[in-house]
This record gives sequence, structure tokens and C-alpha cells, in this order.
Amino acid sequence: KNEVEQSPQNLTAQEGEFITINCSYSVGISALHWLQQHPGGGIVSLFMLSSGKKKHGRLIATINIQEKHSSLHITASHPRDSAVYICAVLYGGATNKLIFGTGTLLAVQP
Amino acid sequence: ETGVTQSPTHLIKTRGQQVTLRCSSQSGHNTVSWYQQALGQGPQFIFQYYREEENGRGNFPPRFSGLQFPNYSSELNVNALELDDSALYLCASSYRQGNTEAFFGQGTRLTVV
Repeated sequence: KNEVEQSPQNLTAQEGEFITINCSYSVGISALHWLQQHPGGGIVSLFMLSSGKKKHGRLIATINIQEKHSSLHITASHPRDSAVYICAVLYGGATNKLIFGTGTLLAVQP
Repeated sequence: ETGVTQSPTHLIKTRGQQVTLRCSSQSGHNTVSWYQQALGQGPQFIFQYYREEENGRGNFPPRFSGLQFPNYSSELNVNALELDDSALYLCASSYRQGNTEAFFGQGTRLTVV
């Protein structure tokens, strides 16, 4: 079992729909990242959070530390939101390394 | 634009060869981590450098090695390349103290033939 699990693995939505991507983790963490990756590579950090909720534009991220669960929501989805969304937990200790989920491939159709 | 640049962007090497990938960190960041992302998978931690010293390593063999320079730029070296080393290699820089955000480069796509 992976230490970071995401669901769903694939998601197709119609433009304008409300989208939720879930992340569950099994290790103790100091923070959690939501990342966006477009085809061809580069990763962009959307959020880093360790408690509560954050909002940037149409994106909302929440985390429940007790339940070891986080969600990424996209309101009024648009085709340009199509990408892979990755949850990564910051595993503390001497090395602040990131442990990644396998990602959720989102396709938003016009 | 994250301020983290990687070079080259794409590279093709032959099995058995050696390769050096480079990463220029965001200004003020003294920590760099390298990750390997195989096709269809999430990135896997290779190692981290903090102030020019290795500060943690994932489950990768010794033929994966690295360096961090005084200006905090970094190299990832892979010797005796294998076909399975074909992947996207990502570096991420951060300022180590506390829960700090990581900033990623665009990655280097390595193909081993």
C-alpha cells in the first residue's frame, strides 16, 4: 500500500463542473502540497498547507490532520485546468522529503 | 516561473553511459532535492542536499550521486545507465528551516536506449 493514495486516478468533467480530488496518507507529516503537472513535465506548486483551508482563485484545498486526508476542489472548471494533480506530503525528520501520490489525471471538456 | 531551472530539458543516452543533469536553485534556497518520475508514476525521492552535503537518500543505488555547490546549484550524476533509468528527473529547491514550500524545475527528460 502506498503511503499517499489519491482518488480518483482519472477524472473527466464538463466545463463548469465542480471537481474534487482526494488524498489520504498514512505517515506523520509536517505539511501537504497540492501540485499541478502539465504534459511534458514541469510541476507547479498550487498549495502548501498544514491545517485548515486555503483558497486561490477557483482552487480550494482543505486538510484534516486527524483523519490524514486532504481534498483539492476546483470550482467552475475550465479546459485549461486539464492536467495531472498530485498530492505530496512533506515527511519531516532530518530530511524534509516529499512523498508523492501517483496523481489524478483531469480532463475538462468544453 | 519558479526560479528553478534545469538543464538540459531533453537528453538521449546509450545504456552504460554516464549522464550529468543540472539544477539552478531559486535565490536564497539552500536545499535541493532530486526526484525521478517514471512514466505514469509519481515522483520518487532520490536524495537531498543541504549546504553542500547529502542530507537523506531514497532507495536508489550508489551509481546515482550528486553535488551541491556553494551557490546552491546542484548536479545529479548517473553512472552505468540502464534502460529503466529513462524518466523525468525533477529538482526542487527550498529553504530548509520549518515547513517551507518547494519550488520545482521543469525537469529533464532522460531517455536511455
